[in-house]
Amino acid sequence: DAKTTQPNSMESNEEEPVHLPCNHSTISGTDYIHWYRQLPSQGPEYVIHGLTSNVNNRMASLAIAEDRKSSTLILHRATLRDAAVYYCILEGPDYGQNFVFGPGTRLSVLP
Amino acid sequence: DSGVTQTPKHLITATGQRVTLRCSPRSGDLSVYWYQQSLDQGLQFLIQYYNGEERAKGNILERFSAQQFPDLHSELNLSSLELGDSALYFCASSGPHSTDTQYFGPGTRLTVL
Repeated sequence: DAKTTQPNSMESNEEEPVHLPCNHSTISGTDYIHWYRQLPSQGPEYVIHGLTSNVNNRMASLAIAEDRKSSTLILHRATLRDAAVYYCILEGPDYGQNFVFGPGTRLSVLP
Repeated sequence: DSGVTQTPKHLITATGQRVTLRCSPRSGDLSVYWYQQSLDQGLQFLIQYYNGEERAKGNILERFSAQQFPDLHSELNLSSLELGDSALYFCASSGPHSTDTQYFGPGTRLTVL
């Protein structure tokens, strides 16, 4: 299984930036890095994905290390609604779109 | 709203029984995935269908089966239910490409008593 490692939990203050790290030292050259999040009592939702270059969208930014062995999801201004479990997932030819969800990082946002 | 619908929202049944969970994918999505989320195992991939054909199998028990119909909706059948099958069951759908986003439904909460 594609292996990613994330901290179990993190805390942030509202309206401050949040950097959520993910280690994926066994990533192969064709693996994409996906981030999903799961709000309380909901199904997971897509946040962002990338391959090699940093990516930005309206929700977040994804910073990928040059050696691709780690990545960081950046929420530029955390809101209370961003409190969720964030999952970093690898997807590639060996396991297709069949995501292997780890325990993720539980993000708490303090008002 | 992801556009993926799942019914029923809640299901309570007894051990040994059989249930069917239903999923309607987003319009135009050909791939359907089933996931199980329990407290002790987290989110686990069960099975994927693409345009009616089984494409990949994960940690799906032999007591569980699934199918995708010509109208692309999918059903997950769980039989000989055990207490440990109590969980949230999510369906997701996506387009045909490997990097297409998976859109998850709201889930069906199954309680086996």
